[in-house]
Amino acid sequence: DGGITQSPKYLFRKEGQNVTLSCEQNLNHDAMYWYRQDPGQGLRLIYYSQIVNDFQKGDIAEGYSVSREKKESFPLTVTSAQKNPTAFYLCASSDLIGETQYFGPGTRLLVL
Amino acid sequence: AQTVTQSQPEMSVQEAETVTLSCTYDTSESDYYLFWYKQPPSRQMILVIRQEAYKQQNATENRFSVNFQKAAKSFSLKISDSQLGDAAMYFCAYRSAYNTDKLIFGTGTRLQVFP
Repeated sequence: DGGITQSPKYLFRKEGQNVTLSCEQNLNHDAMYWYRQDPGQGLRLIYYSQIVNDFQKGDIAEGYSVSREKKESFPLTVTSAQKNPTAFYLCASSDLIGETQYFGPGTRLLVL
Repeated sequence: AQTVTQSQPEMSVQEAETVTLSCTYDTSESDYYLFWYKQPPSRQMILVIRQEAYKQQNATENRFSVNFQKAAKSFSLKISDSQLGDAAMYFCAYRSAYNTDKLIFGTGTRLQVFP
């Protein structure tokens, strides 16, 4: 089955700790995205990547980092510089030509 | 900058009835895409329907249809024959045809379906 997987489903971060959220897709999509969702709000773009070894900042990139070493994978690291990391994180991908973004099941990040 | 507004934080509908969710957007661009996404309690975002701005015909997808009014910058979602499984948050989203790096989301409408 083609789709997008995210792991873990729940993640707990201690103060001063970096944590990495995984996102994998087998849809052969070129573009991948990371969004953050806070209660009562829509999604906001953190980072996106249109091609391997290239990525761009979104609207709220501060305190986050990404890599795109493989077409299928786009991990997001929440660094200790992100002062309010508690949120729901959604990964998405799209075919550059098709425009529509498809989403993974998300990761809930909580701070201990 | 483009914005998307969903003015109904919550809506409710009886099973088998019809409900319409509202969405307005602001843009100076002439070519763009509009989407409705559904987010059930599992929180995974599921694409419901998509509309290309250059198409005058309203998109339909089974029980889901849109009323796209380009001049009024309005993009409402109609759900016919509502089912209990339609209960979810619904998000309207905009994507530029020129600057395709992101979706711009509204704040969502929570739909409750009563038996």
